[in-house]
Amino acid sequence: GQQVMQIPQYQHVQEGEDFTTYCNSSTTLSNIQWYKQRPGGHPVFLIQLVKSGEVKKQKRLTFQFGEAKKNSSLHITATQTTDVGTYFCAGLPSGYSTLTFGKGTMLLVSP
Amino acid sequence: SAVISQKPSRDICQRGTSLTIQCQVDSQVTMMFWYRQQPGQSLTLIATANQGSEATYESGFVIDKFPISRPNLTFSTLTVSNMSPEDSSIYLCSVTYGQVSSYEQYFGPGTRLTVT
Repeated sequence: GQQVMQIPQYQHVQEGEDFTTYCNSSTTLSNIQWYKQRPGGHPVFLIQLVKSGEVKKQKRLTFQFGEAKKNSSLHITATQTTDVGTYFCAGLPSGYSTLTFGKGTMLLVSP
Repeated sequence: SAVISQKPSRDICQRGTSLTIQCQVDSQVTMMFWYRQQPGQSLTLIATANQGSEATYESGFVIDKFPISRPNLTFSTLTVSNMSPEDSSIYLCSVTYGQVSSYEQYFGPGTRLTVT
């Protein structure tokens, strides 16, 4: 079946440090999406990447989609305590209509 | 983005009983899904709710256990039947807009189910 591997599973940083989470798919993706889930909350859509090699920025967040459309990353510059939560990637395999979610990376930020 | 509401927000149920969860969206959507999320875990797709026809279930999920209805483009229900403690989880409704190749997916607030 379709698999999306996400690492690391967990990361604890000091406020101001950078953070990166990575996703790798076993198959080529039509697009990849990123979600953030705060503790006790539901997943919230952040962004979608569609094109090979695409890079998108949202303030301190930078999202990349690999050239082969099999991997992606989310980088947060100078983390803040408001960044705390679990970040999920979700890939849409080519030819499919349902997303495959990674296991998520839980980010803790200490002040 | 969509405004999605789910009822109930949480419930505690006895084993052997059934619970029906409702999902209401404020506008017509392309697709509706039901997910399950165990505490601290990722999201597992249960099924795609199809309007006017039987839902499409993922491997490991069956209609007898998780019957789903979608009578129109803005409403769906998921029933968790003959519950056991293993069914304790958060159940999330999700919707998409736009073309399959480039849609955005939005989640409801979830229903936290505890089975005793």
